[in-house]
Amino acid sequence: DGGITQSPKYLFRKEGQNVTLSCEQNLNHDAMYWYRQDPGQGLRLIYYSQIVNDFQKGDIAEGYSVSREKKESFPLTVTSAQKNPTAFYLCASSTSGRTNTGELFFGEGSRLTVL
Amino acid sequence: AQSVAQPEDQVNVAEGNPLTVKCTYSVSGNPYLFWYVQYPNRGLQFLLKYITGDNLVKGSYGFEAEFNKSQTSFHLKKPSALVSDSALYFCAVRDTGFQKLVFGTGTRLLVSP
Repeated sequence: DGGITQSPKYLFRKEGQNVTLSCEQNLNHDAMYWYRQDPGQGLRLIYYSQIVNDFQKGDIAEGYSVSREKKESFPLTVTSAQKNPTAFYLCASSTSGRTNTGELFFGEGSRLTVL
Repeated sequence: AQSVAQPEDQVNVAEGNPLTVKCTYSVSGNPYLFWYVQYPNRGLQFLLKYITGDNLVKGSYGFEAEFNKSQTSFHLKKPSALVSDSALYFCAVRDTGFQKLVFGTGTRLLVSP
């Protein structure tokens, strides 16, 4: 089945450690996104990528890094510089270009807890 | 910048009654508006969108939304609520320049039996 797969679903990290969240899609979408969800704050955009080997910072990129070496994959690294990393992280993808109307397809999320 | 506001943190409704979840927007130009639903510890699922055309948009699971340009609103509605509709609902608007979405803070819908 086509879709977006995020892993791991739950992750625990000690302070000072970097962690990488995986996001893979088989929808043949050009664009991919990472959002962070905190209670009462909705979703905030961390990074997005319109095409392979290119990505842009979103609204809250500090303390995060990404790569887009393959169309299907958009991993997110939460670095030790991120001061409040405990959150629910959502990956999404979409078509791109003139035919795109904005609809995003989401993965099931990864919950990161810093101990 | 584009933005949406969801003025209610929570909406309570009895099963079988109509429900409304409110959303207002602020955009420059024509708005592309969306509703998503999220169940606990899950990703977001697309419900419906308004791009152009009829002001009443029909979507998944019996939901619909009414676009009102004069009131800059895009309220989500359902004629008869189900307990299984209990979830977190997000309104979103497409940002200018690129197709990334800007989300509201979410409204928790609680449908009681």
